Amino acid sequence: EAGVAQSPRYKIIEKRQSVAFWCNPISGHATLYWYQQILGQGPKLLIQFQNNGVVDDSQLPKDRFSAERLKGVDSTLKIQPAKLEDSAVYLCASSLQVTYEQYFGPGTRLTVT
Amino acid sequence: GENVEQHPSTLSVQEGDSAVIKCTYSDSASNYFPWYKQELGKRPQLIIDIRSNVGEKKDQRIAVTLNKTAKHFSLHITETQPEDSAVYFCAASRDKIIFGKGTRLHILP
Repeated sequence: EAGVAQSPRYKIIEKRQSVAFWCNPISGHATLYWYQQILGQGPKLLIQFQNNGVVDDSQLPKDRFSAERLKGVDSTLKIQPAKLEDSAVYLCASSLQVTYEQYFGPGTRLTVT
Repeated sequence: GENVEQHPSTLSVQEGDSAVIKCTYSDSASNYFPWYKQELGKRPQLIIDIRSNVGEKKDQRIAVTLNKTAKHFSLHITETQPEDSAVYFCAASRDKIIFGKGTRLHILP
């Protein structure tokens, strides 16, 4: 089966600019996750979708981050405006349901200068 | 809020020896406990998982034990090999998932 797809793979922007990431989960997976992973740290869950509804967004900085999952399939994560501390790898993952194995995409490495 | 504590943060073991990583969780309703391995520059991948109705699960050199009463679960790797060097993350899940901060495992030649 095809894996989780993410784009772009790399992005360099200046602070205060905006950026968007795209994720296409594995077909049939109801649960989709966005994580922020800063170098040397574990993945930090930003938002979790069940189909097109939000299960958990308690760690999403809502003043600058937004995410949507249209039609319960693809998802986009946006940052506006970006800060230096947003430099990280943004991982998308999907699973059949919440208590099943997560399959991670290759990630998007964001550098904010 | 819910939390998952993982220890140690770094672990060095001689090749061929065993490695043990421990996690505790705070939400007693958690019912799914996966372990992910992340090699340098790569994405996390599931290596083993256990559900709350099971106390132990084994897959070749890897085993996981769960103590629901103590809210504690552990990863055991036997006969360690150089390719086991990576960062390992535990997680606890019910309707949402919480990851531990990770353990960097070094296998010494």
